[in-house]
Amino acid sequence: EAQVTQNPRYLITVTGKKLTVTCSQNMNHEYMSWYRQDPGLGLRQIYYSMNVEVTDKGDVPEGYKVSRKEKRNFPLILESPSPNQTSLYFCASGQPPDYGYTFGSGTRLTVV
Amino acid sequence: KQEVTQIPAALSVPEGENLVLNCSFTDSAIYNLQWFRQDPGKGLTSLLLIQSSQREQTSGRLNASLDKSSGRSTLYIAASQPGDSATYLCAVRELNRDDKIIFGKGTRLHILP
Repeated sequence: EAQVTQNPRYLITVTGKKLTVTCSQNMNHEYMSWYRQDPGLGLRQIYYSMNVEVTDKGDVPEGYKVSRKEKRNFPLILESPSPNQTSLYFCASGQPPDYGYTFGSGTRLTVV
Repeated sequence: KQEVTQIPAALSVPEGENLVLNCSFTDSAIYNLQWFRQDPGKGLTSLLLIQSSQREQTSGRLNASLDKSSGRSTLYIAASQPGDSATYLCAVRELNRDDKIIFGKGTRLHILP
């Protein structure tokens, strides 16, 4: 089944403790992206990647890092999480040029 | 700057009715428009993708139309069911912008049994 898989689904952590949210897709898509969703603010892009070893900032990249060492994986790294990063996170992938997006099931992160 | 607006923010209709959800965008230079469904706290499920050259797409009881020149899209749901209750989001991908899609804030739909 074609899908984007995120792990974990739920995560509670403490301020400052580094964490990684994994994202993997099995569709050989070139494009991958991370979004966060917050009430009243909608979906905002954090980082994206057009291909292996090519990453770029989205609208709200502060406090996040990503890497794209292989095509299928695009982990989101929070080196020193803070409470304002409490949110619902989504990974997405797609294949240019006329692609739609496929989203993962989401990761609900709580930073206390 | 592209802005995507969905009105109303919330809608309640009795089961069995046909309904229309609206999406408008400010810049008609788009590559495609995609409708998603999101259940509370869950992921986004793609419903329909309309390329800029298309006028509509259909999937089961769903029909999405696109009028690029007027900056509008509608999602038509026929014979609504309680299981259709969810938030519906539209998103556009702009021409020459491969980096992201721009979302509306969604319409929260509640089908009354």
